[in-house]
Amino acid sequence: DAKTTQPNSMESNEEEPVHLPCNHSTISGTDYIHWYRQLPSQGPEYVIHGLTSNVNNRMASLAIAEDRKSSTLILHRATLRDAAVYYCILRDQNNDMRFGAGTRLTVKP
Amino acid sequence: DAGVIQSPRHEVTEMGQEVTLRCKPISGHDYLFWYRQTMMRGLELLIYFNNNVPIDDSGMPEDRFSAKMPNASFSTLKIQPSEPRDSAVYFCASSPSGTASFFGVPSEAFFGQGTRLTVV
Repeated sequence: DAKTTQPNSMESNEEEPVHLPCNHSTISGTDYIHWYRQLPSQGPEYVIHGLTSNVNNRMASLAIAEDRKSSTLILHRATLRDAAVYYCILRDQNNDMRFGAGTRLTVKP
Repeated sequence: DAGVIQSPRHEVTEMGQEVTLRCKPISGHDYLFWYRQTMMRGLELLIYFNNNVPIDDSGMPEDRFSAKMPNASFSTLKIQPSEPRDSAVYFCASSPSGTASFFGVPSEAFFGQGTRLTVV
């Protein structure tokens, strides 16, 4: 299975942009890049996903490198409610969904 | 839709007892996932189903664990006998099949609130 590598933790100031990196150097051509986040005491929630092109939605933007070996989740203006563990996941044609350790984002007021 | 519903939310049981965790997926979703989360091991995929059929159970820790999906609207995860090391939060998630992708990769998965299991 293709694996992802993320920093253990990151800090951000409130109302500033946050760039959360993910490396996936062994990604295959059919792997989709998904991001989820887990707020304290809750189940994970979907954030965004993409294949090759950059993607935007109401929660975030996903920037995918041209070689697809890395991606970056962008929160345009971090709020205190964005403090969570963010997971970068590769989903293949078998559709399983395996989580790594993720990045714990701390947002400072 | 009320989302993915798990029951019970909390379970405390004695070592050796049988524990059954329940999950009701979102109507129309044909994928169902069971996860276990601990501080030490993070979020582990235990098993997942497609159209009620188990696809991959390689994450099930041992024979004490079993999961069933008798119909599209219900799944159970059973631990028999339970042990203190099974204490964790267990999550269920469901997902529709992808509709816009050639490879049929599902898009968004929805998680339940989890069941916190404590085995004493």
